[in-house]
Amino acid sequence: AQSVTQLDSQVPVFEEAPVELRCNYSSSVSVYLFWYVQYPNQGLQLLLKYLSGSTLVKGINGFEAEFNKSQTSFHLRKPSVHISDTAEYFCAVLQGGSEKLVFGKGTKLTVNP
Amino acid sequence: DTAVSQTPKYLVTQMGNDKSIKCEQNLGHDTMYWYKQDSKKFLKIMFSYNNKELIINETVPNRFSPKSPDKAHLNLHINSLELGDSAVYFCASSYRQNTEAFFGQGTRLTVV
Repeated sequence: AQSVTQLDSQVPVFEEAPVELRCNYSSSVSVYLFWYVQYPNQGLQLLLKYLSGSTLVKGINGFEAEFNKSQTSFHLRKPSVHISDTAEYFCAVLQGGSEKLVFGKGTKLTVNP
Repeated sequence: DTAVSQTPKYLVTQMGNDKSIKCEQNLGHDTMYWYKQDSKKFLKIMFSYNNKELIINETVPNRFSPKSPDKAHLNLHINSLELGDSAVYFCASSYRQNTEAFFGQGTRLTVV
């Protein structure tokens, strides 16, 4: 069964520092990869997605992620974070031919002044 | 206009009661889902419907019954509520396989 591992449950950083949130997945077959953000008491919003093509994907709010097939990773990065980026971030994988989106356990990003 | 809307946003009820959560999407999607987010923020799929037909039914107790009257609606009915059912329930929809899902704002269910 497909699984997603987000290696860090919590990531505290200072404002304007760079950040990387790590995500690894288990499947070796074709996959589609997503990062979602959940602000406090809100639903999930899509940050970015990888379906095919360029392995470097740019999303909203200055975030980007790189698909690395050999390392089965899809790490999320931002060069300079803002306090407003404080939220829970979820990596998710959709296996080709499946309709079941499998989520990681989430990484809580806290940006401090 | 809200793309995926759920009602109610908050639901507090006693053990043993029966309750429903409604979901509607105005995106023209043909696939809808229910996800459960537990107290540790873990998200897990419960059900998926495609064109009103059930296609995914994870190991969810029979007390949970989804109903899809049409492509734009997927409601969740829960019988004999238990304390462990307390969670946030998210409805989502997608256009087809291998595309991103759009989520509603969630329904926070608290069973007392």
